[in-house]
Amino acid sequence: GQQVMQIPQYQHVQEGEDFTTYCNSSTTLSNIQWYKQRPGGHPVFLIQLVKSGEVKKQKRLTFQFGEAKKNSSLHITATQTTDVGTYFCAGPDNYGQNFVFGPGTRLSVLP
Amino acid sequence: DAMVIQNPRYQVTQFGKPVTLSCSQTLNHNVMYWYQQKSSQAPKLLFHYYDKDFNNEADTPDNFQSRRPNTSFCFLDIRSPGLGDAAMYLCATSRADSGETDTQYFGPGTRLTVL
Repeated sequence: GQQVMQIPQYQHVQEGEDFTTYCNSSTTLSNIQWYKQRPGGHPVFLIQLVKSGEVKKQKRLTFQFGEAKKNSSLHITATQTTDVGTYFCAGPDNYGQNFVFGPGTRLSVLP
Repeated sequence: DAMVIQNPRYQVTQFGKPVTLSCSQTLNHNVMYWYQQKSSQAPKLLFHYYDKDFNNEADTPDNFQSRRPNTSFCFLDIRSPGLGDAAMYLCATSRADSGETDTQYFGPGTRLTVL
């Protein structure tokens, strides 16, 4: 079946350092979504990427969708303590009705 | 304004005692999902309703059932909770046109404790 993988599983950074998480799908995706889940909270939608090679930015966050539409990355510049949480990527399954979540990357930011 | 509401936020039940979790939405989305999320894991899809059509995941135990009486409400029934069912249960909604689904909006979740 379709698999969505993410690396790294955990990342500890010093405040001000950059952070990147990578997402890889076993199949080509029509789109990919990123969610952030704060400790004790629920997943919150960040962004959706649809086009091959697409790059979107949200302040310090940069999202990329690979040319083959099988991988994606989220890069945070100059992390802050408010960036702490788990970042999930999710892609539609083969039928397009459900989303398959990656295992997530847990980010810790040390002040 | 809350868009996806889950009640209760915390639920404690006894081993084997049936429990019902509820979800309501004000988004008028036609797709509603139930996920189970255990500590440090990704949300695991249990089932979803595409309009009135119920879709069960292959590995969802029979112990878990769902009802969707109308567009706005969806219920998760756990017939005989076991210790392994203790988890956060997340409801999500999305809008789907012609099969492809849009962004999912998650509720705050119900944390279930089984004693």
